[in-house]
Amino acid sequence: SAVISQKPSRDICQRGTSLTIQCQVDSQVTMMFWYRQQPGQSLTLIATANQGSEATYESGFVIDKFPISRPNLTFSTLTVSNMSPEDSSIYLCSVEEGSGRTYNEQFFGPGTRLTVL
Amino acid sequence: DAKTTQPTSMDCAEGRAANLPCNHSTISGNEYVYWYRQIHSQGPQYIIHGLKNNETNEMASLIITEDRKSSTLILPHATLRDTAVYYCIVRVRKQAGTALIFGKGTTLSVSS
Repeated sequence: SAVISQKPSRDICQRGTSLTIQCQVDSQVTMMFWYRQQPGQSLTLIATANQGSEATYESGFVIDKFPISRPNLTFSTLTVSNMSPEDSSIYLCSVEEGSGRTYNEQFFGPGTRLTVL
Repeated sequence: DAKTTQPTSMDCAEGRAANLPCNHSTISGNEYVYWYRQIHSQGPQYIIHGLKNNETNEMASLIITEDRKSSTLILPHATLRDTAVYYCIVRVRKQAGTALIFGKGTTLSVSS
């Protein structure tokens, strides 16, 4: 399976600022996904990022608040803009692989733990 | 994707088998059952998936009822490191580019 890394692993930020989270994959993948996991909650999909096209956002998430870049097949960034304490969450990058038995399986990065003061 | 129902929490003694149930009564013929788990503060980990036959791998076994309306994930010899939230997800396997949608899952606590 793909090896996924995220930077930073955690951060503490002041309200009103922005943070860009990086996701790096060790192989080329078509589909990448960004999730948010608020404290004590399950994962919620933010958006789907396909290389070469604009990200597709889920209901309740907008590009101005969570701009996403996908410059190539191994990298993506998620920016959390104009942060408030409600944005304190774990942000997870995920990729979809499509080969052999693991076709269409999703694999997840370790997450970025964000605290907004 | 079909909706799934799982118990909120379960306990298991170390070394015993952990049997985690999942109901998916509205599953359609081309939907697969996937299981993931999330150990505290880590990204979810893929465990196993199946369509209608029972499946086994190095981590677990998946038993799907004949009518496919429910399934059970079996960890044959649970260890303390298996303490995690386990998610049962139903989706169309060939639907490339469609992200997994997570429910609340089952919190499994393994104790010595």
